[in-house]
Parts: sequence; structure tokens; C-alpha cells
Amino acid sequence: AQSVAQPEDQVNVAEGNPLTVKCTYSVSGNPYLFWYVQYPNRGLQFLLKYITGDNLVKGSYGFEAEFNKSQTSFHLKKPSALVSDSALYFCAVRDRVGTGGGNKLTFGTGTQLKVEL
Amino acid sequence: SAVISQKPSRDICQRGTSLTIQCQVDSQVTMMFWYRQQPGQSLTLIATANQGSEATYESGFVIDKFPISRPNLTFSTLTVSNMSPEDSSIYLCSVEQGITNTEAFFGQGTRLTVV
Repeated sequence: AQSVAQPEDQVNVAEGNPLTVKCTYSVSGNPYLFWYVQYPNRGLQFLLKYITGDNLVKGSYGFEAEFNKSQTSFHLKKPSALVSDSALYFCAVRDRVGTGGGNKLTFGTGTQLKVEL
Repeated sequence: SAVISQKPSRDICQRGTSLTIQCQVDSQVTMMFWYRQQPGQSLTLIATANQGSEATYESGFVIDKFPISRPNLTFSTLTVSNMSPEDSSIYLCSVEQGITNTEAFFGQGTRLTVV
């Protein structure tokens, strides 16, 4: 079965500082990996995805994520955080190969990012 | 990307009643899903809404409690039946094009409070 772990319930960062939101995954085969953001009273918005190729993936709003196969990680990063980045972030995984899970998306528990002045 | 309209955006309901949530997509999509997000928790897949046939439910979810319709490729409904306070959650509609390397798109969610 596939799974995703986001070890931090909350991350606090000062505006202008770099931020990292951690994600590790487990799949039987090779993964497709996704990051989503949820602002209060809103649905999830897609940020970026890793499919294949370059391990550093760039996405919306200046976010990027680094795929590390040996560490089974896909940490979300941004060089300079903004107060407006404060939101709930979800990592998700899908196995490339059809399994009993039927290629469904599996989400982590979410990390609340708080960026302060 | 698909534009998804979900309504109502929020509702407060009496226990024992039912609420139907609608999901409308601006283009035809292959896959439509319904998720539940309980307070402070992650997303849990309720079911896959199949066009023209019965929905496929995940473990722990049953049709009598969460009947789902999908009459065409752009519309689906989820009904939360015989509600109890434990059903208080955000319910999210999601769509995909059925290709594993593509992302899912989500509606803005329905925040349901059962009193």
C-alpha cells in the first residue's frame, strides 16, 4: 500500500527566510508526487508535481520541490517566504504501476505553514 | 485545468436530515471523486463517481450513507444521509483525466456542520 508522511504539523518561518515543508513517501513501484496548498475555506490548489526527469521541480508561486529517491522524500521549498504563503500544505503520491489501490492519490496529513513578519 | 463549482459552500444541518452536494465541471472529465476532510485531518477518499453506473466506494463508506450520482461527464452529486454530528466535515469534489501522471483538481469544498 502507498503512504505519505508529513512529519511536521506546523512550520513557522519569518518572512524573507527560506522555507521547507517535509514529505516522505512509500510506494511499491516508482512514484508520481504532488504538492497541494489549501487556503482557509478553499479547496486544494495544485502547486507542482514530479513525474520524471530533473529531480528539482519548479511550480507555482515560486515553490519548488526536490525528489530524492534514495531518501524517498519530496520536500517542498521556497527561497524566500511571504506572509501570503501561510496555508495548509499537502503532499500526495500515486504509484505509477496499477496496484490494488487502483492508482489512487494518497495524501499526507498536511503541514500548516505560518509565515510571520 | 478544469474549473469546478461546488455547492453549497457551507451548510448547517439538523441531525437525521440529508444534504445533497453538487459538483459541476466546466469540461468533460474522465474521473470524478468525492473526498472527506474531517477537522484537522487529511483527505479521505469516499468514492469514485462513475458515469452511468454505481459509484465505487472505499472501505468504510457505503452507498446507503453516501449515495452518489453521476449522470454525465461534467456533473456529480454526493448526498450525506441521516446525518449525525460525526459527519461534520469538509466534503470535496475532485476531477482527473484518468492519466496517472496528471494532477487532480478540486472544488472549493462544502463545509458541513451537523447540529
